[in-house]
Amino acid sequence: QSVLTQPPSVSGAPGQRVTIPCTGSSSNIGAGYHVHWYQQLPGTAPKLLIYGNTNRPSGVPDRFSGSKSGTSASLAISGLRADDESDYYCQSYDSSLSGYVFGTGTKVTVL
Amino acid sequence: EVQLVQSGAEVKKPGESLKISCKGSGYYFISYWVAWVRQMPGKGLEWMGIIYPDDSNTKYSPSFQGQVTISADKSINTAYLQWSSLKASDTAMYYCAREWGVCSGGSCYSDFWGQGTLVTVSS
Repeated sequence: QSVLTQPPSVSGAPGQRVTIPCTGSSSNIGAGYHVHWYQQLPGTAPKLLIYGNTNRPSGVPDRFSGSKSGTSASLAISGLRADDESDYYCQSYDSSLSGYVFGTGTKVTVL
Repeated sequence: EVQLVQSGAEVKKPGESLKISCKGSGYYFISYWVAWVRQMPGKGLEWMGIIYPDDSNTKYSPSFQGQVTISADKSINTAYLQWSSLKASDTAMYYCAREWGVCSGGSCYSDFWGQGTLVTVSS
């Protein structure tokens, strides 16, 4: 199982704000390694959503934001839309594994 | 335009060998790490390993070390993932991705992804 833990699912009504936590440890997020977030729409390849904890690639709406504190990070989606229904994964580096790891993934449902 | 184009779906029997490919274009291929990621049916993403095409420096996840081989041919801008003896549990979608940043220092991320190669292993 992954060393980065996410809730299996979160949901919200259109227009609401949801947050997805990513819980790590002192060998990954807590060690200062950056956290990145990916969105994977059904049947498609993942897409970079947030890099370096808080940065959005060109083309990603500012409704998506990232934060990091201690051994955890979070992805927030504000103004939830139907097309935000997707799986979301955090990623970081783990020094004990000497490699990169993904979170367990969270499915966002728009009610 | 940066593109990573992966080889097509494969159906194999247990014990067979397989090599899938990922061809990069639209950027200086040899200067960016390439990662491989597994996604088993209905499951999450798993980081398998990375390769630096210029010198073929390779790093594996402990979970995949010894199970697969990652290689690259910089003359044709292509990275590979191969198995010598497939198992049913290797059935999955496999993605390659271009890495941006200093991967050897724990500071890179996947900014462009291939479309995925579905590998099915069944007797």
